Amino acid sequence: DADVTQTPRNRITKTGKRIMLECSQTKGHDRMYWYRQDPGLGLRLIYYSFDVKDINKGEISDGYSVSRQAQAKFSLSLESAIPNQTALYFCATSEPKTGLDGYTFGSGTRLTVV
Amino acid sequence: KNQVEQSPQSLIILEGKNCTLQCNYTVSPFSNLRWYKQDTGRGPVSLTIMTFSENTKSNGRYTATLDADTKQSSLHITASQLSDSASYICVVSATGNQFYFGTGTSLTVIP
Repeated sequence: DADVTQTPRNRITKTGKRIMLECSQTKGHDRMYWYRQDPGLGLRLIYYSFDVKDINKGEISDGYSVSRQAQAKFSLSLESAIPNQTALYFCATSEPKTGLDGYTFGSGTRLTVV
Repeated sequence: KNQVEQSPQSLIILEGKNCTLQCNYTVSPFSNLRWYKQDTGRGPVSLTIMTFSENTKSNGRYTATLDADTKQSSLHITASQLSDSASYICVVSATGNQFYFGTGTSLTVIP
C-alpha cells in the first residue's frame, strides 16, 4: 500500500459544485500539506497542518478549506468549484527530523472543473 | 527573498546520452536540498538529499552535486533511458521545515 493515498485519482465536476479531496497516510507523520500543480507554475502550497489541531493557510488558500480529522487524514474542500481550480492536486507529509526533513507525496488527484 | 530557480525549463536528449540539470537557490538558513523525479500524472519521488556538508550524492545513474558557497546544485543523469523522461524538481529546505520549490525541468528522452 502507498504511504500517502489520495482519493479520487481523477474527478470532473461542474462549476459551483462542492467537492472534497481526501488524503490518508501511513507514515505516522504529524505534518500534512495540500499543493496544487499547474503547468509552468510548479507546486504551490494551499494549506498545511502540523498536527490535528493546527491549520495554516498557504500562498493560495482562497476558495479552499481543509479539515484534519486525525493525524492520518487531511481533506481538502472546494466549496464552490470554479474552472481555474482545474489542476493536479497533491497531498504530502513530512517529518521534521533535523537536516533530513522532506516530503512524501501522494500520487495526485487530477481535478477538472467544467 | 527565498527562491529556487531551475534550468533549463525543458530538455530533449537521445537515449544513452548524459545530461545535467541545474538548480540555483537563495534559501537561507539552508537545511537540505532534494531532487525529486515526477513522472507524468504521478507524485514527486525523492531521488537524493544533501545536507550542507555533502557535495555529492549518487543514486544509481543519478548524481547530485551541491556547492553551498555558490548556492548551486546539479543533477547529472548518466546513460539516459526512456524511463528517465519526467520532470525533475529541486526542493530546498530551510531550517524550521520550510520548503521552497523550483518549477522543474521537463526531460524527454527519445530513442
